Amino acid sequence: DTGVSQNPRHKITKRGQNVTFRCDPISEHNRLYWYRQTLGQGPEFLTYFQNEAQLEKSRLLSDRFSAERPKGSFSTLEIQRTEQGDSAMYLCASTRGGGLNTEAFFGQGTRLTVV
Amino acid sequence: AQSVAQPEDQVNVAEGNPLTVKCTYSVSGNPYLFWYVQYPNRGLQFLLKYITGDNLVKGSYGFEAEFNKSQTSFHLKKPSALVSDSALYFCAVRDMSANQAGTALIFGKGTTLSVSS
Repeated sequence: DTGVSQNPRHKITKRGQNVTFRCDPISEHNRLYWYRQTLGQGPEFLTYFQNEAQLEKSRLLSDRFSAERPKGSFSTLEIQRTEQGDSAMYLCASTRGGGLNTEAFFGQGTRLTVV
Repeated sequence: AQSVAQPEDQVNVAEGNPLTVKCTYSVSGNPYLFWYVQYPNRGLQFLLKYITGDNLVKGSYGFEAEFNKSQTSFHLKKPSALVSDSALYFCAVRDMSANQAGTALIFGKGTTLSVSS
């Protein structure tokens, strides 16, 4: 257990529905990242927060995706009007600070299946 | 473009034998390299990192990695494999492209290590 908690662990939804995932980072970590991992691929960066500010978004993050981190604590990732291509594992990670040599701690992920 | 390649989808070794999981990278500037392991139903776990200094980096669970600048490689090694080492291994590098400035990690596709008893 890395200390990063993600809920739910699994989510099955019908195409067109909205879904929301939650990530609770390690408490003293001020940076929080979202990644997406599809079968047979490594994780791909989606977005990150420093405290409550969302500082970077990947081009993978379409306008159907929105992420928040109110008060710089937990974060939510919402996908609106889900598509089958959204099926993936969504990973959250956190770090203390933004040093280039800082290792990230990952949660167990939320596996989304869109049917 | 920044990238990481793991040329082997799967590596099979017998318990007690040495193992190597290969990784090559392409980045601008100095590379910040990481290895992570993913066990079934578990999150990615950090194994080790190379920043600067010695080319041989030691990490968790007896793993080490050798940084080779001329070959742009960062291979993961272990002198004696255990069945419990069987897992999915990811090599990653800091994204130093202009719009990222080292905030995100770029991961390889992963290599499945299978250690037989």
